[in-house]
Amino acid sequence: EAGVAQSPRYKIIEKRQSVAFWCNPISGHATLYWYQQILGQGPKLLIQFQNNGVVDDSQLPKDRFSAERLKGVDSTLKIQPAKLEDSAVYLCASSFPRRDPTYNEQFFGPGTRLTVL
Amino acid sequence: KQEVTQIPAALSVPEGENLVLNCSFTDSAIYNLQWFRQDPGKGLTSLLLIQSSQREQTSGRLNASLDKSSGRSTLYIAASQPGDSATYLCAAGDYGQNFVFGPGTRLSVLP
Repeated sequence: EAGVAQSPRYKIIEKRQSVAFWCNPISGHATLYWYQQILGQGPKLLIQFQNNGVVDDSQLPKDRFSAERLKGVDSTLKIQPAKLEDSAVYLCASSFPRRDPTYNEQFFGPGTRLTVL
Repeated sequence: KQEVTQIPAALSVPEGENLVLNCSFTDSAIYNLQWFRQDPGKGLTSLLLIQSSQREQTSGRLNASLDKSSGRSTLYIAASQPGDSATYLCAAGDYGQNFVFGPGTRLSVLP
């Protein structure tokens, strides 16, 4: 079974530029997550999709961040314009929503390391 | 709002030692708790998933326990090896598949 795919793996941009990240979840996983992980911290949820609908985007800085999952499969996360504090690793994860939610398990991609100069 | 903490923040042990990593959560109404390993520059690898109805899960040299009433989970690593060096994170999951992560424990196992 192929894992969660993300690209690019690394990105360096200057502040005020825009950037986009792509994620392809494990086949059949209806739930997709984007997390931001700042160095030395645990991942922080940015947005959660169920198929192509948004379940939770309460921590997404909507003035500069946007995400979409148009066909309920792969997803893109965009930052425009980027700030210095956006330097972090952006992780994508997916899960298969089981009838018993206690079985829900997340699987992560390798992440995209963003550096904003 | 769920908050997850992990103690210690960093741990260094000689090879062969048994060790315990701690994870605490404030809201006991969790549906499961997942332990992950993260190597430098890499994504998260799932180690163990404990359902809310379970007390513990085992995989090889790893054993994770869960005490919902006290808001605690522990990850026990037996006979540690240098290859176990990584950051270990726990995440508390709720009904809506929303997971809140702790900050992680950075483990170094010295040969």
